[in-house]
Amino acid sequence: DQQVKQNSPSLSVQEGRISILNCDYTNSMFDYFLWYKKYPAEGPTFLISISSIKDKNEDGRFTVFLNKSAKHLSLHIVPSQPGDSAVYFCAASSTGGTSYGKLTFGQGTILTVHP
Amino acid sequence: DVKVTQSSRYLVKRTGEKVFLECVQDMDHENMFWYRQDPGLGLRLIYFSYDVKMKEKGDIPEGYSVSREKKERFSLILESASTNQTSMYLCASSIIAGGYYEQYFGPGTRLTVT
Repeated sequence: DQQVKQNSPSLSVQEGRISILNCDYTNSMFDYFLWYKKYPAEGPTFLISISSIKDKNEDGRFTVFLNKSAKHLSLHIVPSQPGDSAVYFCAASSTGGTSYGKLTFGQGTILTVHP
Repeated sequence: DVKVTQSSRYLVKRTGEKVFLECVQDMDHENMFWYRQDPGLGLRLIYFSYDVKMKEKGDIPEGYSVSREKKERFSLILESASTNQTSMYLCASSIIAGGYYEQYFGPGTRLTVT
């Protein structure tokens, strides 16, 4: 039962254009969401997060949008750069109770930014 | 600077061998996690620990065990390695403070079981 889904295995974008990566979740208890970026042969690194009390969070070229009613979030990268080429993972957490900060990850989306 | 280290980057083991994967963090984090990453499946949680000697099963614990004798060290054990345990293994640690849930990851261990 995949509670966090990234339905696009890959995305190809031209340098300077916008990249939009999507993520859907099914568990209504999730209230904190994160995006991670992973280069080959390296561990994932944290990119940006959003709490369910917000619908948008921005950090430089990266913006995450959250639509709670649709159980959908997206990561926008503007403008895209070749160095952004990596695998992007969406992750979700339930902050209540004894979650211990467990994260549930999506399958990942391979982003390729062409010069 | 935050640091999570894993004992090996690449490991090749034979079917039936006992395998130890070590993870060390220097951030004094309470929580530590072991994941495996497989193409098309993302990161799946194997086990996690929220304190020394405390552990809980994740989503795919079968065939694995863990040990946390010291706060900074979390070990993943494959009691009898099998070919379907060939994967990338990732360790992470985190602290929950002020609603901040970021996990910090090590570089990963690529394990091949032949």
